[in-house]
Amino acid sequence: DAMVIQNPRYQVTQFGKPVTLSCSQTLNHNVMYWYQQKSSQAPKLLFHYYDKDFNNEADTPDNFQSRRPNTSFCFLDIRSPGLGDAAMYLCATSSDPRDRDTQYFGPGTRLTVL
Amino acid sequence: GQQLNQSPQSMFIQEGEDVSMNCTSSSIFNTWLWYKQDPGEGPVLLIALYKAGELTSNGRLTAQFGITRKDSFLNISASIPSDVGIYFCAGRGSEKLVFGKGTKLTVNP
Repeated sequence: DAMVIQNPRYQVTQFGKPVTLSCSQTLNHNVMYWYQQKSSQAPKLLFHYYDKDFNNEADTPDNFQSRRPNTSFCFLDIRSPGLGDAAMYLCATSSDPRDRDTQYFGPGTRLTVL
Repeated sequence: GQQLNQSPQSMFIQEGEDVSMNCTSSSIFNTWLWYKQDPGEGPVLLIALYKAGELTSNGRLTAQFGITRKDSFLNISASIPSDVGIYFCAGRGSEKLVFGKGTKLTVNP
């Protein structure tokens, strides 16, 4: 089945220790998104890639970076995690944000910062 | 920016009851999406709506794209315990996809 896969499902890191979260998709979608979701809140968009074009949200901290080496994979790098970065990180894909922007989500990575 | 008001914030119902939740906005949207999220999981797409007035069903779920393009509702008929979770609406207008704050559904057996 075509899907969005996130690894790992659970990640524990130490305060200030860089961490990388991974997302892959078999949908062959052009767009990949990264969202941060804190408890009992809606997902908050961090940034997205439209093909190779990176689009950052204005309020995304510089601490968060992303890489998309090819169509299938996208990575979220947190350079110096703080306690406030503990959250669920969701990857999503869509075929075209300018059209219907129907987004399909992965299962998420739960990040704990000690 | 564009914002969505989703209501109710939470619902406590008995198994077998019907459920209705809705989202409204002051902005016009071209796409309405409804997601369900279980604890510790990512949102799962339930229904996608692309035309004003569109009424779409997915099993016991029915959603409609409002005629004004500023609202959408989701109905769940004959609720069962596995319907428990948080339901999010999301709308896409001229900007990015915007999410409602979610409706937390509890179903008592």
